[in-house]
Amino acid sequence: GAVVSQHPSWVICKSGTSVKIECRSLDFQATTMFWYRQFPKQSLMLMATSNEGSKATYEQGVEKDKFLINHASLTLSTLTVTSAHPEDSSFYICSARDGKRDNQPQHFGDGTRLSIL
Amino acid sequence: GEDVEQSLFLSVREGDSSVINCTYTDSSSTYLYWYKQEPGAGLQLLTYIFSNMDMKQDQRLTVLLNKKDKHLSLRIADTQTGDSAIYFCAESITGGGNKLTFGTGTQLKVEL
Repeated sequence: GAVVSQHPSWVICKSGTSVKIECRSLDFQATTMFWYRQFPKQSLMLMATSNEGSKATYEQGVEKDKFLINHASLTLSTLTVTSAHPEDSSFYICSARDGKRDNQPQHFGDGTRLSIL
Repeated sequence: GEDVEQSLFLSVREGDSSVINCTYTDSSSTYLYWYKQEPGAGLQLLTYIFSNMDMKQDQRLTVLLNKKDKHLSLRIADTQTGDSAIYFCAESITGGGNKLTFGTGTQLKVEL
């Protein structure tokens, strides 16, 4: 149980392109989803928290107009990197949590490697 | 403030026990977690412990929590080559909106 699917797993695109990453909870309802960014050989950096049906809460220093997050259903959140540039190249990971049940941990997707040329 | 520290690297021989350590600073932690990350993959939840517990065992994994010293450890018994990965500890804190603060990660290398 508690499977989180993230798609695509790898994206290579030209500078200026917008890229959408999907995060789905397959066997539970994810009232809260989180988006992280991970640089090589580093820990995860939380970018934003999204609650179903409401606006995402962004961490300090994360541009909300650059990283658009939508959490329109209990099983799907999307992260759109708008007008991506080489400095946006990174490994992006989502996680999901069933907030309707007590004491539930975050379960992670397999990540999306984004390479901007 | 929140600060979670881990040693960067640990090397063990196959069949030995591995102990990965983690220290944290926020005394209002509610849960502490251990995640495993293999190359190019996301994080796999291994186990977690409530902050009022001292120990939790799950098959080859033993978690020890010393709340007084704010020290968490993960012991892997009979370590196998498939255990080679990066291990992250993480804490969630009371009133933190279920956010996790991750440690720096420990790379475990298991040698034959």
